[in-house]
Amino acid sequence: DVKVTQSSRYLVKRTGEKVFLECVQDMDHENMFWYRQDPGLGLRLIYFSYDVKMKEKGDIPEGYSVSREKKERFSLILESASTNQTSMYLCASSLGLVLAKNIQYFGAGTRLSVL
Amino acid sequence: KNQVEQSPQSLIILEGKNCTLQCNYTVSPFSNLRWYKQDTGRGPVSLTIMTFSENTKSNGRYTATLDADTKQSSLHITASQLSDSASYICVVSPYNNDMRFGAGTRLTVKP
Repeated sequence: DVKVTQSSRYLVKRTGEKVFLECVQDMDHENMFWYRQDPGLGLRLIYFSYDVKMKEKGDIPEGYSVSREKKERFSLILESASTNQTSMYLCASSLGLVLAKNIQYFGAGTRLSVL
Repeated sequence: KNQVEQSPQSLIILEGKNCTLQCNYTVSPFSNLRWYKQDTGRGPVSLTIMTFSENTKSNGRYTATLDADTKQSSLHITASQLSDSASYICVVSPYNNDMRFGAGTRLTVKP
């Protein structure tokens, strides 16, 4: 079974703090993704990475950065957390391109609250 | 405006009944359409993936249909079970490494 593990299920941070969300996958997948999920909205892509040290901006990259130093690990960084970044964050991975019907596997999510 | 619209937003049915969830999209052209199931507090899990040339795809009691001409898809759940209570998300991929997510339909199955 593919496993995508997010380091924290719940996080509470203060405005202005630097926040790290970690994601690890154990299936040697090329692609990794970070999404945020808000009520009434579909998942929105923040960043994705198709290889080590490679990254591409998604739909809503502002206020976020990412790091992929190793193939299995993809980190999302909030440089200075703000209250509008309170959300559920989901990490996903896939073996190949999603347009080629490759399945995305998701982690359980990190619910972040910024106070 | 979201390119993937799902209806209804929420639905309550009795255990054992069937139901159908709808997905309309404007993404064009597209490479594939997916349905995901997301249990409360969990990440989405893939149910079906269809290309534009596939009209129907089944996964146990779940059957997805696709009409690429009208840009509509549906997910039919047969003989519902309490464990079917979840959000169901429709996702359309254009011809790039991108995915457009619907907001989901929240299904509650009651005993």
